[in-house]
Order: sequence, then C-alpha cells, then structure tokens
Amino acid sequence: RKEVEQDPGPFNVPEGATVAFNCTYSNSASQSFFWYRQDCRKEPKLLMSVYSSGNEDGRFTAQLNRASQYISLLIRDSKLSDSATYLCVVNQGGKLIFGQGTELSVKP
Amino acid sequence: GAVVSQHPSWVICKSGTSVKIECRSLDFQATTMFWYRQFPKQSLMLMATSNEGSKATYEQGVEKDKFLINHASLTLSTLTVTSAHPEDSSFYICSARPGASGLVGTQYFGPGTRLTVL
Repeated sequence: RKEVEQDPGPFNVPEGATVAFNCTYSNSASQSFFWYRQDCRKEPKLLMSVYSSGNEDGRFTAQLNRASQYISLLIRDSKLSDSATYLCVVNQGGKLIFGQGTELSVKP
Repeated sequence: GAVVSQHPSWVICKSGTSVKIECRSLDFQATTMFWYRQFPKQSLMLMATSNEGSKATYEQGVEKDKFLINHASLTLSTLTVTSAHPEDSSFYICSARPGASGLVGTQYFGPGTRLTVL
C-alpha cells in the first residue's frame, strides 16, 4: 500500500467547474499536510497547508480528517491557469512524502 | 520568498560518466537539504536527507555509493551520480529547509535538473 494515495487522473473539466481531489495517507503519526501544485517539467510549489479545522484560500478549500486519514482539496470556479498536477503531501518526521499526483486539465 | 537554485538545469551525458548537480539556498541558511527523484508520470521520491557537516541519510533502496551527497556548507549541497546509466535518467529536485525558522514541514524547492544518460 502506498503511503499517500490520490485519485487517479486526469480530470478534464470546463472553465468555471468545481473540482475535488481526494487523498488518503497510511501513517497515523503524520504531522502536517499540504497540497502542492506542479506544472509540467517544473518543481512543485506549495499551494496550501491543510488543517483539521479546514482552511480556505480564495477559490481553494482544503480539509483534513485525521480519524479517517483523509485529505481533500476543492477548487471552485476553475480557471485555465489551474491546469496542473496536484500533489498531496504528508510530513512524517520532517520528511515530505508525496502522493502520485492528480492531473487537472481545465478547458475553455 | 526563499529561493533555491540548482545547476545545471539539464544535462546530457554518456553512460559510465559521473554527473554533479548543485543545490544552493540563495537567501537563507539550510542545515538540511533533501534530494528527490521524479520519473515521468510518477511522483517525487525522496532519495536522501543531507545535513550540513555530517553524512547524508539515504532512503531504502537508494545506493549511497552511486549517489554521492556532500553538504559542505549551510548554503550548498551537491549530488553526484556516479557511473550513470540510462535508467538513472530522471528529474532530480532538491529542497532546502531553513535552519532557524519555519515550520518543520517547510521546504523550498529548487527548479530541478533533468538528467538524460545516453
């Protein structure tokens, strides 16, 4: 079993759609959680941290359920520029463990 | 924000040669740097953790004699792929964690080095 598992993609959605990404992690001792965005052939960039209380940053909402070891990311009103691969990332003892990523393609 | 650079950004080499990749934190000191590898359509896999002034800690399955890591200063870590083979062709990415501040999980990523071994 992979330590961090994400929805297999790709997701193809029209502009303006709402899209949700799901992620589960296997190690209950994981300390902190993040969503990263990676554009093609580029390094990953931090999108947002994820907190148990849930957090929002503009069109992006992240949620964490520690009991079920589940993380989600919701993107509302998707833009063409949101097209990228979204990586669910878990911090275990200072090491970042990456999910395999879910590719999002937003079409006009 | 914090900036991490990598050099070179891409390299093509012949099988059997060694390739050195540099990772620098430009505006902060990094006691810890990390090296990742990413194959096409796969996620980043941590190869090793590099601590300034001490030996690197390698993840299971990563050959320490093949992937030599040196972290001689607080702003520079190098990864040398020795006797490279075509299966070592990959995207190598480093990250750096600030030494004195920042959340435990905070890492700043370099732009990556694309290695192609012929």
